[in-house]
Parts: sequence; structure tokens; C-alpha cells
Amino acid sequence: GNSVTQMEGPVTLSEEAFLTINCTYTATGYPSLFWYVQYPGEGLQLLLKATKADDKGSNKGFEATYRKETTSFHLEKGSVQVSDSAVYFCALTTTGNQFYFGTGTSLTVIP
Amino acid sequence: DAGVTQSPTHLIKTRGQQVTLRCSPKSGHDTVSWYQQALGQGPQFIFQYYEEEERQRGNFPDRFSGHQFPNYSSELNVNALLLGDSALYLCASSSNGGRAYTEAFFGQGTRLTVV
Repeated sequence: GNSVTQMEGPVTLSEEAFLTINCTYTATGYPSLFWYVQYPGEGLQLLLKATKADDKGSNKGFEATYRKETTSFHLEKGSVQVSDSAVYFCALTTTGNQFYFGTGTSLTVIP
Repeated sequence: DAGVTQSPTHLIKTRGQQVTLRCSPKSGHDTVSWYQQALGQGPQFIFQYYEEEERQRGNFPDRFSGHQFPNYSSELNVNALLLGDSALYLCASSSNGGRAYTEAFFGQGTRLTVV
């Protein structure tokens, strides 16, 4: 079946620190991979995506590379800001009909 | 572009009651999916509507039902509410038309509390 496993949080970093949030997946077929972000009291916003192996998705300084050999899609950012504090969800879809989400990783960035 | 809009934003219901949540998709989108997000968890797929029919369903009981209207808006109905139905309900719209790898746009959600 399809599933996503995310690094457990919460994660607390100082401003300008390097961020990595691990994500691994299991999928039947060839999934597209996504990172969504959820700010307090809000819905989900797409952060970045990759649709095939070796693709790199990037947005707002965040990036993630689709690694088929390790079934991973780790999220990275070189220098986090206070405004990056949010919950991050890794997700996949194989059909476009149903998304499978990880449990989310809460990030708090302190000044 | 208003994006995906959901109503109401919050509501409180009593166990055993019925509730209807509403969603208007992003302009140009024809497919609506509903997700349940329990506190501290990732969203779980309930079902998806396309061309006014339920196209796919997740592992949710028949108490959860839906509808899609000709203007692509959608409703989620939950009957015989249980305390465990308390969650954030998210609506996502896309323009699949049956195609894969389509980005889904999410609404702000409806926070349902069952007491």
C-alpha cells in the first residue's frame, strides 16, 4: 500500500540554522511527492513537489530531492527564519485522486 | 481568485446529531476531495467527487456522505456524530479530470467539535 513516514517532532531551531526534516515513503506505482506547510489555524499550503525520480522541488529556500533508491524526499533549508515556524507534512499520490500524508513535523524557530 | 472556501469555519455539535460542511473549489477546478485531520495527525482521505459522483473513497464509515453540485461545489455530511468525529475537515480542489500528478489546493478547513 501507500504510506508516508516522517521524522517525529517537535523540532526547535535557532534562526539561521540548517533544517532537515526526513520523509520516507512506500508506494505502489510511481508516486508524485509533495511537501505541504500548515500555519497555525490555517489549511495546507503546497510548499514544493517532485513528480519523478531525481527531480528536485524548491520554493522559498526550501528544497527536496525525489530519491527512488532510498524512497525518500527529505526537506531541507539552509537558513531558517522565525516565519518558517509551522507544521510540515510530507505527502504522496499515485493517481492524483488520493493524497497520503505523514503525521506532520512541527517546527519552531527561535530568534 | 478566492481559492478554496469552506464554511462554516467552526461549529459545535452534540453527539448523535448530523452536520453538513460546505466547500467551494478554486475557480477552474472540477474535482473536490475531503480530508479529516485529527489533532496532531496528518489529513486522512475521506472521499473525492468528480462530475457529481463519488469517484474514490477512503476508509470511513457510511455515516460520512457527500455531494457535488453542477457548479462543482461540494458538501460533506456526517450523521450520528461521535466524539471521535471531532477534527479539522479540509476540502481540497484540483483539476484532475482523471489525470494524475495534479496539485491539490486546500481550504482553511472547518473545525468540528462534538460534545
